Amino acid sequence: TQLLEQSPQFLSIQEGENLTVYCNSSSVFSSLQWYRQEPGEGPVLLVTVVTGGEVKKLKRLTFQFGDARKDSSLHITAAQPGDTGLYLCAGDSGAGSYQLTFGKGTKLSVIP
Amino acid sequence: DAGVIQSPRHEVTEMGQEVTLRCKPISGHNSLFWYRQTMMRGLELLIYFNNNVPIDDSGMPEDRFSAKMPNASFSTLKIQPSEPRDSAVYFCASRRTSGVTDTQYFGPGTRLTVL
Repeated sequence: TQLLEQSPQFLSIQEGENLTVYCNSSSVFSSLQWYRQEPGEGPVLLVTVVTGGEVKKLKRLTFQFGDARKDSSLHITAAQPGDTGLYLCAGDSGAGSYQLTFGKGTKLSVIP
Repeated sequence: DAGVIQSPRHEVTEMGQEVTLRCKPISGHNSLFWYRQTMMRGLELLIYFNNNVPIDDSGMPEDRFSAKMPNASFSTLKIQPSEPRDSAVYFCASRRTSGVTDTQYFGPGTRLTVL
């Protein structure tokens, strides 16, 4: 069974601060996705990383896929209250697999 | 285009009652997923349909749970009889399978409370 561990589980920071959240596994994934989920809504895909060592930027968000494709990080620069939400990582084992393995998420609160 | 539509958004029922959750996937999508989300266990896949055919139901917790997809635009998840431990948020997601890493689009979820 593939597991994804996310840390920290909860994070509360002041507006303008930087933060990094982590997604770790002992398994190799063909790709990894990051989602943000807001209260009362379903997860929304932010980015997919495919290549080991890949870095993708989405405005103030920087996503990195580990060289061995077992881990990933999400860095947010100058956090805004609108960044508040649950951040989920999900791994795709590939080889025609349809199933994503989700971590339990990091709940981020950005205080104005 | 409308996203994934789920109904009801909230359901409160008593233990032992039958519960039916409904999902309309995005038009043109050929894969549909039912997930359950709880604080303790996170987001868990219950069942996956491809072209209206159930492919993998190994995540369905027990025989009290059943899912159907009679056509490409409608799916149901039924719990009979319901129990308090079934309380969770149930999500439906759909995608168009193209052979590469495909985006799953989630509905807003149904929050189920079983008293």
